[in-house]
Amino acid sequence: NAGVTQTPKFQVLKTGQSMTLQCAQDMNHEYMSWYRQDPGMGLRLIHYSVGAGITDQGEVPNGYNVSRSTTEDFPLRLLSAAPSQTSVYFCASSSRWDRYKGTVETQYFGPGTRLLVL
Amino acid sequence: AQKITQTQPGMFVQEKEAVTLDCTYDTSDPSYGLFWYKQPSSGEMIFLIYQGSYDQQNATEGRYSLNFQKARKSANLVISASQLGDSAMYFCAMREGWGGGSQGNLIFGKGTKLSVKP
Repeated sequence: NAGVTQTPKFQVLKTGQSMTLQCAQDMNHEYMSWYRQDPGMGLRLIHYSVGAGITDQGEVPNGYNVSRSTTEDFPLRLLSAAPSQTSVYFCASSSRWDRYKGTVETQYFGPGTRLLVL
Repeated sequence: AQKITQTQPGMFVQEKEAVTLDCTYDTSDPSYGLFWYKQPSSGEMIFLIYQGSYDQQNATEGRYSLNFQKARKSANLVISASQLGDSAMYFCAMREGWGGGSQGNLIFGKGTKLSVKP
């Protein structure tokens, strides 16, 4: 049981390049999400998915695309990298927390990807 | 509007003493959960403790306890007997239950940097 995995761990891009950050989980979680972390800003939600084939925007979605073709994978695509996208990116997953359930569902995080855009 | 507020950007505590990290939240949803995560200098996000809005008792996990005051909308983290390894960033987060218009996203505060002095 690997939990949440992310690749790569570190990436340097030039402005205008595109790339995909990979995220996978083996816990059969419905809910997956991407966050970016910048100094003094905490973690901000980029995109999320409540199940395969269903995605939606979070707080800071501009410049990023996602898709969810399987339960396990939730890749994040940078279409045309900009220096403002220099950040640490975290993927997270959890069971979908139904408000009518009694138990709160915890989100589990991947190790993060450090991205530098020059 | 900011939903999670951590008013202490940085704190110092003497080793073996207790410390309280403040967190206030804002929601009108009766179904929510409050979480604390630790982020050491290595960067990973480590889940510490959670409190459900319907829980009658304050949550405890080893040296961590959550002082939940629902009427005041506060969810302070108490660390007893601080250790040098407790030096890290600490994030408070809230998750509203999926359903009723909420997607169950986890919303973070900006964090508190705790430094434990020997």
